Amino acid sequence: QLVLTQSPSASASLGASVKLTCTLSSGHSSNAIAWHQQQPEKGPRYLMKLNSDGSHNKGDGIPDRFSGSSSGAERYLTISSLQSEDEADYYCQTWGTGIQVFGGGTKLTVL
Amino acid sequence: QVQLVESGGGVVQSGRSLRLSCATSGFTFSSYAMHWVRQGPGKGLEWVAVKWYDGSEEYFGDSVRGRFTISRDNSKNTLYLQMNNLRAEDTAVYYCARDGSFYNMNIDHWGQGTLVIVSS
Repeated sequence: QLVLTQSPSASASLGASVKLTCTLSSGHSSNAIAWHQQQPEKGPRYLMKLNSDGSHNKGDGIPDRFSGSSSGAERYLTISSLQSEDEADYYCQTWGTGIQVFGGGTKLTVL
Repeated sequence: QVQLVESGGGVVQSGRSLRLSCATSGFTFSSYAMHWVRQGPGKGLEWVAVKWYDGSEEYFGDSVRGRFTISRDNSKNTLYLQMNNLRAEDTAVYYCARDGSFYNMNIDHWGQGTLVIVSS
């Protein structure tokens, strides 16, 4: 079964970096994923598509502070030089034949 | 730029029907698969359905299969979601979203959403 697992919460200080993790279920470690950001009271925003080799394609206007990387079944989103507007929920997404799956989301708090 | 504008949300009684629309612009609608995704109050994102670029294939999430239908009018650049036999647990903000491909891959653009409240 295709499942994505995310930690419910994370926190980091203003100006620091944070690395969020999305883990693919067993047997799906080669899947690409996408990362999406949802700021409070707003709709989601596409950040990037992240492949198993760590290559990624960012959405329009996504700052260089956002980057992605991969290791095995883990997919990472790193945000550097944290700003207050980065405080948001972050969701990973993947897909298969006739199915789309979202992770449960990570709530990022910027201290 | 890509724009996705949902409409049709509102308050509806349990067991009734509602149709959502998503008007699009800024891209060649007929070249992309399109999704509906929903978010219940205080909850995460839940995928609802996808329709391929040419309407030839469609797939649904387990919680809505058999009750919801998805359609598109490529001449009007519009996506639809027909929701029948609505339940309280269908209460959510419904987002229209564009796929990055013509069939079923990552979502790469989102609308702002339309709120559906199902009352008992």
